Amino acid sequence: NAGVTQTPKFRILKIGQSMTLQCTQDMNHNYMYWYRQDPGMGLKLIYYSVGAGITDKGEVPNGYNVSRSTTEDFPLRLELAAPSQTSVYFCASSRGTPGGLFFGEGSRLTVL
Amino acid sequence: DAKTTQPPSMDCAEGRAANLPCNHSTISGNEYVYWYRQIHSQGPQYIIHGLKNNETNEMASLIITEDRKSSTLILPHATLRDTAVYYCIVRLNNNDMRFGAGTRLTVKP
Repeated sequence: NAGVTQTPKFRILKIGQSMTLQCTQDMNHNYMYWYRQDPGMGLKLIYYSVGAGITDKGEVPNGYNVSRSTTEDFPLRLELAAPSQTSVYFCASSRGTPGGLFFGEGSRLTVL
Repeated sequence: DAKTTQPPSMDCAEGRAANLPCNHSTISGNEYVYWYRQIHSQGPQYIIHGLKNNETNEMASLIITEDRKSSTLILPHATLRDTAVYYCIVRLNNNDMRFGAGTRLTVKP
């Protein structure tokens, strides 16, 4: 099993550009999450989903959009990238309660 | 969900047990205690979780006090590779799973 796979691993964007961070999991987990982690800081929850077709905002949703059309995929869309969105983005999945979250390796995004 | 309090940092000698405390005095009866760690810039790693009973797996042991107001994560024989930030999270369910500041554990030779 690959677990949670994130692409791309690295990306540089110009201010105002848009992009999508891809996340896919092969564990048939219902729950999926997107976090961001700024340098030297903790993880902040952006969006999460408890199943296909259902998404909810986390702590820091502004500037991002998500969709969950399948159980496996949970893409994160950045519209009009800003320097404040420079961060490492982590995707995670979980089978539900109780159960741990399993994380991808992260996507490092720089907005210049 | 109950708030957790962890010391910001701790040191441990290599080969000794690392005991990481977490206070969750407002925990309710059906909330779980979860522990994760994050090594350097890697994605966080799930370690263990528990409800009322003590739990043990290949990575660590989780000791929850009888009143459930605090818990301790035990790494029985800490190695340099256990140096990481350790997060204690108390949750009713897996919705909206948020991480706090955690404890930065440094294992020293």
